[in-house]
Amino acid sequence: DAGVTQSPTHLIKTRGQQVTLRCSPKSGHDTVSWYQQALGQGPQFIFQYYEEEERQRGNFPDRFSGHQFPNYSSELNVNALLLGDSALYLCASSLVLGGRITETQYFGPGTRLLVL
Amino acid sequence: AQSVTQLDSHVSVSEGTPVLLRCNYSSSYSPSLFWYVQHPNKGLQLLLKYTSAATLVKGINGFEAEFKKSETSFHLTKPSAHMSDAAEYFCAATGNQFYFGTGTSLTVIP
Repeated sequence: DAGVTQSPTHLIKTRGQQVTLRCSPKSGHDTVSWYQQALGQGPQFIFQYYEEEERQRGNFPDRFSGHQFPNYSSELNVNALLLGDSALYLCASSLVLGGRITETQYFGPGTRLLVL
Repeated sequence: AQSVTQLDSHVSVSEGTPVLLRCNYSSSYSPSLFWYVQHPNKGLQLLLKYTSAATLVKGINGFEAEFKKSETSFHLTKPSAHMSDAAEYFCAATGNQFYFGTGTSLTVIP
């Protein structure tokens, strides 16, 4: 049973650049959420995608955008990178049952982004 | 507003002694509550969850947690610490999104 996978594992960018991170959900899952985890902090919710639409969003600027594909995989895009965007970006997947997104989320290993 | 507070940023125990990691939540209703563990350079692994069934929840690797509504707490315990338990632990709660605490780093001394 394939778990949540993310790519790349590590990434180095410079200020002002753009970055795209990728996530494939756990087999059978159809909902993807993205989190930012700064060093020494807990994960912060960025947004959640279901049926190729953004369903919920945390307190992140519009520089953070996403996409979900028909196969349920997802991308996180960050434009105009700032030094403060350096973090571990985690993807989590879950499942819709009976029209409701189940609460248990399964996390990938993350992408560590360093902005110089 | 919903929030999760982990009361200790660092906990250190000797191998074979009990573990207690404390978590309080703030919510206008009874949320679902979770504990996750994160080993270095790894993603989050679900330890256990509470979803309004039994208040004492058993998880993986011998961990358990008790939901106490009167105290708005969901503390994580384990009777006997193992070296492999050394990691970062996060408490989380559902609301209109998933809220995480700031984490507790557990050190196990041999």
